[in-house]
Amino acid sequence: QQKVQQSPESLIVPEGAMTSLNCTFSDSASQYFAWYRQHSGKAPKALMSIFSNGEKEEGRFTIHLNKASLHFSLHIRDSQPSDSALYLCAVESSGSWQLIFGSGTQLTVMP
Amino acid sequence: EAAVTQSPRNKVTVTGGNVTLSCRQTNSHNYMYWYRQDTGHGLRLIHYSYGAGNLQIGDVPDGYKATRTTQEDFFLLLELASPSQTSLYFCASSDAGDRASYEQYFGPGTRLTVL
Repeated sequence: QQKVQQSPESLIVPEGAMTSLNCTFSDSASQYFAWYRQHSGKAPKALMSIFSNGEKEEGRFTIHLNKASLHFSLHIRDSQPSDSALYLCAVESSGSWQLIFGSGTQLTVMP
Repeated sequence: EAAVTQSPRNKVTVTGGNVTLSCRQTNSHNYMYWYRQDTGHGLRLIHYSYGAGNLQIGDVPDGYKATRTTQEDFFLLLELASPSQTSLYFCASSDAGDRASYEQYFGPGTRLTVL
C-alpha cells in the first residue's frame, strides 16, 4: 500500500521568506498528488494538486512533482503570517478513490 | 463549494459507552469517508463508502462500524468506546468520476473524548 512521509515536522520562518515543504511516497503509479492546508481549529482544505511530472504555480504557491524520485514538494514565496497552518500532503492510493495523507508539517510564519 | 456537516461537534462519553457520529453532504457526491486525526499521525482513514448501502474498510477500522443510509448520510458507530478512541474525527466527501474529482471536501470535525 502507498506510504507517504512528510518533512520537516515543524518549521518556523520569518515573514517574506521562501518556505519549502516535502513529501515522499512509495508507489509511482498514483495519479493525484495534493497539498491540503488546515488552519488551527478548522477542517483541512485542498490547496493545490498536480497529476503529472513538473511544476504548477498558483500565485505565491508552487507544487513540484518528480515521480521517478518519488517526491513532491510545496514552495511558498513571500510567506505571510496567514500562511501559518498544518500542511498535509496527500497521494491517491493507486486503483482506489482513497487518499493517503502524510503526518503533516506545522508551519509558523513570524511577523 | 461542497458542503459537509457533522454532528455533534463535541462529545464526551465513558469507557464502554455507545457513540454515533453523523455526517451529511448536500452535493450529491458518491464517495464519503471517515478519518481520525491525532497529533503526529495526520489523517487516518477508518471507513469509506461509494454509495448508499456500501461500506469499505479503511486503514484503522478496529473498534468502529459505519453505515451509509442514503447518498447524503454517513454514520460512524463506536459500540464499546475506549480511551484510545479519543480523537478528532473528520468526515469528507468526493465526487468520483474522473481524476479531477479526487479532491475531498471536509466537514468541521467532531471532537470525541472517552473518559
